[in-house]
Amino acid sequence: NAGVTQTPKFQVLKTGQSMTLQCAQDMNHEYMSWYRQDPGMGLRLIHYSVGAGITDQGEVPNGYNVSRSTTEDFPLRLLSAAPSQTSVYFCASSYGGPTEAFFGQGTRLTVV
Amino acid sequence: GQNIDQPTEMTATEGAIVQINCTYQTSGFNGLFWYQQHAGEAPTFLSYNVLDGLEEKGRFSSFLSRSKGYSYLLLKELQMKDSASYLCAVTNYGGATNKLIFGTGTLLAVQP
Repeated sequence: NAGVTQTPKFQVLKTGQSMTLQCAQDMNHEYMSWYRQDPGMGLRLIHYSVGAGITDQGEVPNGYNVSRSTTEDFPLRLLSAAPSQTSVYFCASSYGGPTEAFFGQGTRLTVV
Repeated sequence: GQNIDQPTEMTATEGAIVQINCTYQTSGFNGLFWYQQHAGEAPTFLSYNVLDGLEEKGRFSSFLSRSKGYSYLLLKELQMKDSASYLCAVTNYGGATNKLIFGTGTLLAVQP
């Protein structure tokens, strides 16, 4: 009963490097989202998807790309890492509509 | 625009009752969620209100007044394990839970 799985749990990047944060869910949820959580800022929506092949931007999309080729996977790509992207990243999934969102355990990213 | 306000921190005593308030200003409001987040962990779902009134679930209850843009989470018979951040989140855009807008959270410390 895996739920939402994020990898890696921790990552340190140098400024300018690129990387992909992985997110997979095994609940057959149509809706998936990426959030970042910073002290004093709360969770902020980066990108979201309402189904395979469909993605859209959230509040803070700059510097990030996403794709949704399957229902299960929703990777988040950092194109050229910046210190401002140091944060904890959460992936979430849900059936959609007024139902609860399930969150992964998070990826703690530090950009130096 | 959207604005969600919660107290930053609260302290309560084990066995007591605590009320955590949340006020919001959003366009097209379509529901309010409460999540619990322990330090270093993922948010977990507590409650969802879409209609005015009180929803009770064990030791936790949540209230909503749409006309006042106001909600509260009531925690009864506090236990030490209730020490956590409590996140208020609203959904608009047709009720899609993949587009949750979060407040900054209330850090609750339960003392013996």
